[in-house]
Amino acid sequence: GNSVTQMEGPVTLSEEAFLTINCTYTATGYPSLFWYVQYPGEGLQLLLKATKADDKGSNKGFEATYRKETTSFHLEKGSVQVSDSAVYFCALISRNSGYSTLTFGKGTMLLVSP
Amino acid sequence: GAGVSQSPSNKVTEKGKDVELRCDPISGHTALYWYRQSLGQGLEFLIYFQGNSAPDKSGLPSDRFSAERTGGSVSTLTIQRTQQEDSAVYLCASSTQGEGYNEQFFGPGTRLTVL
Repeated sequence: GNSVTQMEGPVTLSEEAFLTINCTYTATGYPSLFWYVQYPGEGLQLLLKATKADDKGSNKGFEATYRKETTSFHLEKGSVQVSDSAVYFCALISRNSGYSTLTFGKGTMLLVSP
Repeated sequence: GAGVSQSPSNKVTEKGKDVELRCDPISGHTALYWYRQSLGQGLEFLIYFQGNSAPDKSGLPSDRFSAERTGGSVSTLTIQRTQQEDSAVYLCASSTQGEGYNEQFFGPGTRLTVL
């Protein structure tokens, strides 16, 4: 079956620090990979995605590269802001699930202090 | 336009009572999904609707859980004889239907607390 493993949090950083949140996956077939973000008190939002190997997804200064050889999709940002404080979820979807079911990691809380 | 809405936003109930959670998807979205977000478990898939039918119910944790969708729009998730371990945030998402992946848009969730 499909599974996603991401680093446990919370990750605590100072503003302008470099961020990495690790994510690895197990899937049959060729999954599409996603990062979702949940800001305090808000619903889950798609942050970025990559649909095939070596694709790089990017949005709002965040980036993640689909690495098939290491089955990874690590999230990075060069300089975090206080407003980036949120819970980040790595997820995948695959053809063998009919592109219907997202499989999520457990989430990583990011806390950015001024 | 309006996003996915869910009601109630919060529900506190006593163990053993039944609860109904409602989801209004984005207009025109034919696919609808229920997920559960609980502490320590992350986000778990519960059930997926395509129109009014549910081709994938594999995530429902027990026969106390059921869901229906009528008119290809609103869906209700019903939990019978609630238990404390049912306490979680229940998230609904909807998407268009088509070849390959269609982005799922999530509602704000219903926080269920079973005392």
